Amino acid sequence: GAVVSQHPSWVICKSGTSVKIECRSLDFQATTMFWYRQFPKQSLMLMATSNEGSKATYEQGVEKDKFLINHASLTLSTLTVTSAHPEDSSFYICSATKGRGDNSPLHFGNGTRLTVT
Amino acid sequence: DQQVKQNSPSLSVQEGRISILNCDYTNSMFDYFLWYKKYPAEGPTFLISISSIKDKNEDGRFTVFLNKSAKHLSLHIVPSQPGDSAVYFCAATTYNFNKFYFGSGTKLNVKP
Repeated sequence: GAVVSQHPSWVICKSGTSVKIECRSLDFQATTMFWYRQFPKQSLMLMATSNEGSKATYEQGVEKDKFLINHASLTLSTLTVTSAHPEDSSFYICSATKGRGDNSPLHFGNGTRLTVT
Repeated sequence: DQQVKQNSPSLSVQEGRISILNCDYTNSMFDYFLWYKKYPAEGPTFLISISSIKDKNEDGRFTVFLNKSAKHLSLHIVPSQPGDSAVYFCAATTYNFNKFYFGSGTKLNVKP
């Protein structure tokens, strides 16, 4: 159980276009979803935290107008990279938690490799 | 300000021997700690966790030790296998699970 599906797994887009990444918890209701970004050979950088029905909380330095997060339901969160630029190329990973009480409180999707040309 | 630190970016171990991965944290409010394993181009997968009320948790070949006074935890893998070669992240969270902090990862290479 506790599967998180992320789609697409990879995407190539042209500079200036927007890209939407979906994150779904398939067999549980996620109280909170997190979006991470990983640069090559670096750690997971938390971008934002989203709770269903409320605005996402962005980490310092993350542009909320550029990285739009929508948490429409307890099983779906989306990240839209708007007006993408080559420096936005990265590996984006979503995760979801059922909240305290679960032995594995943070479940990850398989990530999305974004390449902006 | 990195609240969770993994000071060893890489570790190489012979198959069959013990792998010890270390992690330090600074926030005394953390009360739940986790280890994740990650292969390239994939999301991290959960390995093992430990609550701050314990100092040891074991699951098969994996054991996590927590030293609260030193704000240090470690992951022991015994015996190490080539399939264990991956990047290992430690993570910490507070009681309400509203934010998870990750270390920078340690790349483990288990040589056959």
